[in-house]
Amino acid sequence: DAGVTQSPTHLIKTRGQHVTLRCSPISGHKSVSWYQQVLGQGPQFIFQYYEKEERGRGNFPDRFSARQFPNYSSELNVNALLLGDSALYLCASSFLGVGTEAFFGQGTRLTVV
Amino acid sequence: QQQVKQSPQSLIVQKGGISIINCAYENTAFDYFPWYQQFPGKGPALLIAIRPDVSEKKEGRFTISFNKSAKQFSLHIMDSQPGDSATYFCAGSGNTGKLIFGQGTTLQVKP
Repeated sequence: DAGVTQSPTHLIKTRGQHVTLRCSPISGHKSVSWYQQVLGQGPQFIFQYYEKEERGRGNFPDRFSARQFPNYSSELNVNALLLGDSALYLCASSFLGVGTEAFFGQGTRLTVV
Repeated sequence: QQQVKQSPQSLIVQKGGISIINCAYENTAFDYFPWYQQFPGKGPALLIAIRPDVSEKKEGRFTISFNKSAKQFSLHIMDSQPGDSATYFCAGSGNTGKLIFGQGTTLQVKP
């Protein structure tokens, strides 16, 4: 059974550009969450979606947005990229989103130059 | 009130020894406490998790001890192996499902 898949695995963008990251959850899981992990730190919560609705948002600027599709896959969009957006972006899949185990993908390494 | 504090930041253990990582949380609404293992360049992998209604949970060489009154929990890795060398994160979660992570502990197991 496939785990959480994220694409692309690596990405280099220029300041001011826009980026879209994609995530496919584990089959049967209805919730997807996005986290940002800066080198040397723990993951920081960005968004949670359940059944295509936003259930939570972390302390990130409006340049960050996300959505969940009818097949439960998800996209994270970041506009007007800054150097500080360079990080590993992680997608976590869980069955319900609350009170159930969360499984992470391998992440997308975003480098902003 | 959302923080999870993790210690030590780094840990060196001899092969066969016991690795102990500690975490403290502030939010009393947290009701789920997972531990994740992360290798360089990979996403975190769920290792073991506990809920506050039990004081200890064991899975193989990994044990979580939980002290609700002190708002502390710890991960014990018995018979540590070089393959256990990784970064370990504790986390807490409440009714939102949002995971609040500790700062991480880099474990090195020397052969």
